[in-house]
Amino acid sequence: AQKITQTQPGMFVQEKEAVTLDCTYDTSDQSYGLFWYKQPSSGEMIFLIYQGSYDEQNATEGRYSLNFQKARKSANLVISASQLGDSAMYFCAMRAGPYSGAGSYQLTFGKGTKLSVIP
Amino acid sequence: EAQVTQNPRYLITVTGKKLTVTCSQNMNHEYMSWYRQDPGLGLRQIYYSMNVEVTDKGDVPEGYKVSRKEKRNFPLILESPSPNQTSLYFCASHLGGANYEQYFGPGTRLTVT
Repeated sequence: AQKITQTQPGMFVQEKEAVTLDCTYDTSDQSYGLFWYKQPSSGEMIFLIYQGSYDEQNATEGRYSLNFQKARKSANLVISASQLGDSAMYFCAMRAGPYSGAGSYQLTFGKGTKLSVIP
Repeated sequence: EAQVTQNPRYLITVTGKKLTVTCSQNMNHEYMSWYRQDPGLGLRQIYYSMNVEVTDKGDVPEGYKVSRKEKRNFPLILESPSPNQTSLYFCASHLGGANYEQYFGPGTRLTVT
């Protein structure tokens, strides 16, 4: 079974500073993908970034980067230059198993981290 | 505009009264899923569908039914809702393959009294 652990229920960061949100995962599959989603107070789920288990480079998308450490089974999200609009819940999620297997249809989510950006 | 729509967005109902939450996507995605979100638990998958007439259980399927008669629609049915099904529900779809992004609907907040 797959498991995602986010150990920080809540975090504060000063505006314009960088922040790291932790995510560790557990799977016995060799092929898997890791995702980060943002959920603002309005409730929608916004895709931020994806990292495949075979990707050699860490994924980056604008101010978001994923610090992927395969041996440690961690996939931390780094947000650079925080903005007030970054205040939200952040979820780490994993798809595990071969791309054509049953696991590819399922995302396992962590419990989330609530990020608050302070002016 | 590529999107996943859900209706209704908000619903208050009573125990035992059958209800359906509709979900529709306009991206021709084969894969669709339903999740529920509860405080402190994150999102948990209820059911998923790989194609028309092909569905399977996720992590928390008890008390729910789904159907996939058309590619674009994936309704969630609660035959006899109970208060423990009070939750925020999300429908999602994706294209499949290696690097897929799940597109989420706006969510349906359901309260069962």
